[in-house]
Amino acid sequence: AQRVTQPEKLLSVFKGAPVELKCNYSYSGSPELFWYVQYSRQRLQLLLRHISRESIKGFTADLNKGETSFHLKKPFAQEEDSAMYYCALITTGTYKYIFGTGTRLKVLA
Amino acid sequence: EAGVTQSPTHLIKTRGQQATLRCSPISGHTSVYWYQQALGLGLQFLLWYDEGEERNRGNFPPRFSGRQFPNYSSELNVNALELEDSALYLCASSLTGKTGNTIYFGEGSWLTVV
Repeated sequence: AQRVTQPEKLLSVFKGAPVELKCNYSYSGSPELFWYVQYSRQRLQLLLRHISRESIKGFTADLNKGETSFHLKKPFAQEEDSAMYYCALITTGTYKYIFGTGTRLKVLA
Repeated sequence: EAGVTQSPTHLIKTRGQQATLRCSPISGHTSVYWYQQALGLGLQFLLWYDEGEERNRGNFPPRFSGRQFPNYSSELNVNALELEDSALYLCASSLTGKTGNTIYFGEGSWLTVV
């Protein structure tokens, strides 16, 4: 079954500390993975996608097919990073986006 | 450029009634997706429309249905409302239904069933 798992509902870190938001997936095909972010009172928006191999707002994510993971990382958290983060997978062929349950990141001053 | 727009913003219905939610995709986008965001459950995929056809649906009962119009706007209908249907319903659109296209979300419609 296709599934995206985000094991942490809430992650609290201090400003300047490293952040890692975990995402594991279950998918038999070749996955395409994304991270979406929802800041307070804003709509859900794309943060980054694995095929771009880009760094957005200091965040990076590496696809590890062996561990079926796509963890989101940032070396130094900022207060403005506080938001809800969703990991998502798109299935090839059916083009269905599957989202995880989300992790709320709180960056403490 | 206008983003994905949804209406109404809030809707209150009683159990057993029907609710209709509407979505206008970004201009030029042909794919529309519907998600349910219930408290504590994350985003649950409901329906995907592309070029006027239903392409895929999630694990929801048939009383959740919808359609896509020739102008690519879409509506979601929920019949025989139940209390657990109370949630935020998000619509998203993408350029096409092909892999790799970013989906853009609307702000959602809050449905409360009492």
